[in-house]
Amino acid sequence: QITLKESGPTLVKPTQTLTLTCTFSGFSLSTSGVGVGWIRQPPGKALEWLALIYWNDDKRYSPSLKSRLTITKDTSKNQVVLTMTNMDPVDTATYYCAHSRGYYGMDVWGQGTTVTVSS
Amino acid sequence: QSVLTQPPSASGTPGQRVTISCSGSSSNIGSNYVYWYQQLPGTAPKLLIYRNNQRPSGVPDRFSGSKSGTSASLAISGLRSEDEADYYCAAWDDSLSGMLVFGGGTKLTVL
Repeated sequence: QITLKESGPTLVKPTQTLTLTCTFSGFSLSTSGVGVGWIRQPPGKALEWLALIYWNDDKRYSPSLKSRLTITKDTSKNQVVLTMTNMDPVDTATYYCAHSRGYYGMDVWGQGTTVTVSS
Repeated sequence: QSVLTQPPSASGTPGQRVTISCSGSSSNIGSNYVYWYQQLPGTAPKLLIYRNNQRPSGVPDRFSGSKSGTSASLAISGLRSEDEADYYCAAWDDSLSGMLVFGGGTKLTVL
């Protein structure tokens, strides 16, 4: 059974850097074709895809946020870390991580973690 | 503004069939698979349809997906009160660094 869980601060100040960790089980990020991605959802708004890292360390970023995002993986710890620099109140959202595999897409999601950006 | 276009709302009565549309372009829906997600209030999105029209195990066959050209649709037959949720379409986009693009979401109300 695949599970993912996001963790990180619930409150960050403007201009700070956000670091979120996705801890997963039930699969290995060294398996060919597998990836872990991040998606966010501002309150009352739509889903927004942020980044994805594949088993071979290939990384994809949302073009609009690429300059602020870094995604890394620690296969031995079954973790994926997303950092977002220069946080702004508009970045207030629930952040989800999700498992990705071939044509199944992002098929299993974590429960999400809420991040508020406020001074 | 979302890359994929969905109607903001849809509604139906129990037992009815409703459809939700999703419009994109040649770089996303036109050349890649479409996915549909269901998000119940206060919960994480759940994969409902993958590869245009495939259902993951556990998803009732009341839910079906289709794709034609640069558009896709989700159909829900035998509508039930527990289907009241937000529905999102998604597709990979070849022109945007291979990112996944979403629709703006459709809130389905069961009257």
